[in-house]
Amino acid sequence: QQQVKQSPQSLIVQKGGISIINCAYENTAFDYFPWYQQFPGKGPALLIAIRPDVSEKKEGRFTISFNKSAKQFSLHIMDSQPGDSATYFCAASMTNAGGTSYGKLTFGQGTILTVHP
Amino acid sequence: DTGVSQNPRHKITKRGQNVTFRCDPISEHNRLYWYRQTLGQGPEFLTYFQNEAQLEKSRLLSDRFSAERPKGSFSTLEIQRTEQGDSAMYLCASSHQGWPTNTGELFFGEGSRLTVL
Repeated sequence: QQQVKQSPQSLIVQKGGISIINCAYENTAFDYFPWYQQFPGKGPALLIAIRPDVSEKKEGRFTISFNKSAKQFSLHIMDSQPGDSATYFCAASMTNAGGTSYGKLTFGQGTILTVHP
Repeated sequence: DTGVSQNPRHKITKRGQNVTFRCDPISEHNRLYWYRQTLGQGPEFLTYFQNEAQLEKSRLLSDRFSAERPKGSFSTLEIQRTEQGDSAMYLCASSHQGWPTNTGELFFGEGSRLTVL
């Protein structure tokens, strides 16, 4: 029940295209859903995050779409650039009673994104 | 550099030896997390500290693993009697949990890669 399933495992898009990565979770107690970006040899870095009280969040070229009833969320990267080539992880966690995020994240398996110039 | 620092970056050891990794979090962060990441997988939660108190340990953390955070500053992760299955990237992350600056973001270090021969 703690799993977060991510797809696809790898994704190749052309420069300027849209990259879409999907995640599904089982635990309905999850209420914080971040996406992390990881470059080779580096630790993951927070890209964008959403809470289930909204269905969409946009920051620049990155958008999270959230479907609470389906227990699914996705990352859309618009106008994909070669510099976006990295591994992307979705994650989920349960916040504490104060509504602040709890850092015990359950990560998906990751998606290796390659953007061709 | 005010990021999360981990040392050593790489460690090669023989099966049965003990190894210790150190993590220096961002100075004002009160929470510190250890995760383990194997090739092609997302990070898996191991344990976390609130200041100097170790508040939770994953079932992944066998008796051969011990973590400390004396004085609530840096943390060490020791693995005793290493096994080949311990080969992985050990990631440390820190965050500030508390009003008003809490954003829920985990800041990861670049990791310590362990290879057990």
